[in-house]
Amino acid sequence: GAVVSQHPSWVICKSGTSVKIECRSLDFQATTMFWYRQFPKQSLMLMATSNEGSKATYEQGVEKDKFLINHASLTLSTLTVTSAHPEDSSFYICSATSGETGALQETQYFGPGTRLLVL
Amino acid sequence: RKEVEQDPGPFNVPEGATVAFNCTYSNSASQSFFWYRQDCRKEPKLLMSVYSSGNEDGRFTAQLNRASQYISLLIRDSKLSDSATYLCVVNTGGGNKLTFGTGTQLKVEL
Repeated sequence: GAVVSQHPSWVICKSGTSVKIECRSLDFQATTMFWYRQFPKQSLMLMATSNEGSKATYEQGVEKDKFLINHASLTLSTLTVTSAHPEDSSFYICSATSGETGALQETQYFGPGTRLLVL
Repeated sequence: RKEVEQDPGPFNVPEGATVAFNCTYSNSASQSFFWYRQDCRKEPKLLMSVYSSGNEDGRFTAQLNRASQYISLLIRDSKLSDSATYLCVVNTGGGNKLTFGTGTQLKVEL
């Protein structure tokens, strides 16, 4: 149980285009989803937290107009990198929590990640 | 100062060796602590939570020292399959917000 998928697994695009990444919880309802970014040899950095049906909360330094997050259902969140540039090339990983236990700290289940290369 | 600091390694050890990783965190209000494992070009996977009393899961032992804000992971009888990057992760802000260390790379060799 607790499987999270991401699509696509990798994408190559030209500079200036927009790229949409999907994150799905396959066997549970995800009340909260998280989007992370990881550059080579660096740690995962939280970009934003999204709760179903509400606006995402972005971390300091993350441009909300550039990284559009939509969490329209309990099983799907999308991250759109708008007008992508080479410096946006990174490994984007989502995670999800179910909120079932009601605990303050829920286990996060990670998706397999999406590698983005912007030429 | 980084919120979570780890020695990046790599630690190259022979199969069967015992190896220990350390991690320090800066936020004394941190409440939850974890070790994750990340294989090359893959997502991180939870290895174990770290409890105040210390805890063990097979060959893996985790320790937490709140006074020193220090977390450790001990791997006994290393296997080739243990080769990975080990991430120290701290819940710093309450709720579900996790802060990841940069990871310590382990290479287990024949």
